[in-house]
Amino acid sequence: NAGVTQTPKFQVLKTGQSMTLQCAQDMNHNSMYWYRQDPGMGLRLIYYSASEGTTDKGEVPNGYNVSRLNKREFSLRLESAAPSQTSVYFCASSELRDTEAFFGQGTRLTVV
Amino acid sequence: AQSVTQPDIHITVSEGASLELRCNYSYGATPYLFWYVQSPGQGLQLLLKYFSGDTLVQGIKGFEAEFKRSQSSFNLRKPSVHWSDAAEYFCAVTMYSGGGADGLTFGKGTHLIIQP
Repeated sequence: NAGVTQTPKFQVLKTGQSMTLQCAQDMNHNSMYWYRQDPGMGLRLIYYSASEGTTDKGEVPNGYNVSRLNKREFSLRLESAAPSQTSVYFCASSELRDTEAFFGQGTRLTVV
Repeated sequence: AQSVTQPDIHITVSEGASLELRCNYSYGATPYLFWYVQSPGQGLQLLLKYFSGDTLVQGIKGFEAEFKRSQSSFNLRKPSVHWSDAAEYFCAVTMYSGGGADGLTFGKGTHLIIQP
């Protein structure tokens, strides 16, 4: 069972570069999420997609964009990376908006 | 705004001893409550959840948690810890409000250290 798959696992970017983090789930879940994890901060919601065709901002959306490509896939894009975006990014999915979420293994991003 | 507080940043427990990790939340009504565990370099794994009903819930790996409405708490417990329990533990809450941000609101985590 693959669950939630994120790519890449590690990435180093230079300030100003762009990149897209990919996420796919094979559980037929309706809702998908992007979180970032910083030391001592827990996880904070960046964007979420309650269902296919919808996306909404979370707690820390500035500097990011998302695309819900289809029911399975939810990507996160950094248009112009900044050192403040150095973090570990987690994608998650859930069947409904307020039920348990299943997490991917994370993408460790460093912006230099 | 909703919030979750985990008062203990680090906890050290001897192997075989009992464990209690604290979690307090701030909400207008009863939220859905979760405990997740994260091993180093890994994603988050759900330990247990509370939606309604019996306020004492059982989870995986021998963990349990008790919801106390009067104290706005959802503390995680284990009678006897094992070295493999060393990890980061996160309490999380959510509530379908019909508006505002959905998804989980996490506490900042408690780092559990197991002494031999």
